[in-house]
Amino acid sequence: QKEVEQDPGPLSVPEGAIVSLNCTYSNSAFQYFMWYRQYSRKGPELLMYTYSSGNKEDGRFTAQVDKSSKYISLFIRDSQPSDSATYLCAMGDRNNRLAFGKGNQVVVIP
Amino acid sequence: DVKVTQSSRYLVKRTGEKVFLECVQDMDHENMFWYRQDPGLGLRLIYFSYDVKMKEKGDIPEGYSVSREKKERFSLILESASTNQTSMYLCASSFVLAVTGRGEKLFFGSGTQLSVL
Repeated sequence: QKEVEQDPGPLSVPEGAIVSLNCTYSNSAFQYFMWYRQYSRKGPELLMYTYSSGNKEDGRFTAQVDKSSKYISLFIRDSQPSDSATYLCAMGDRNNRLAFGKGNQVVVIP
Repeated sequence: DVKVTQSSRYLVKRTGEKVFLECVQDMDHENMFWYRQDPGLGLRLIYFSYDVKMKEKGDIPEGYSVSREKKERFSLILESASTNQTSMYLCASSFVLAVTGRGEKLFFGSGTQLSVL
């Protein structure tokens, strides 16, 4: 079993829809969780960072962590064509060792 | 804003050539990383460095070496390029948060797409 599982998609949604992305993980040592957004031919940029179970909101983005189920999610409300990108989940342990998901390509159709 | 600059966006090299990929960050971060990104395989850590002149192997160090002579600069070296090293190479830097040492928010460069023919 891979440490981090992320469905690669692609995921196509109409503009204005809610985008829901998920990652599961197997290592209970992971303590903090991130979502990165990567536009085509660019490096990933940090979108959300959290280290506790529950929800964290930033504008149209909500990151959700459920440590008991080893499950994290990213929700994008009122999706825009500019949200079209690949979204990578990432998580780190107390030794700051990071593991990444393979990324989920999202296409928002105008 | 943190800026991580990679010297080349696209690079084409021949098999057997020695290749240097340069990365510079401007935020005085202690930690620097080299990843490669391939379709279907995601991000894989090649090498990282927690301080000047220090280096640690990542998950796939074979065929690569690194150099960190100055805090802001981290170089990736392909000693003898091979076709299976054709990939997107991403440099990143980070700081460790506060006293707890928790977290590494990685800041990535734009990447170098390397083709080895």
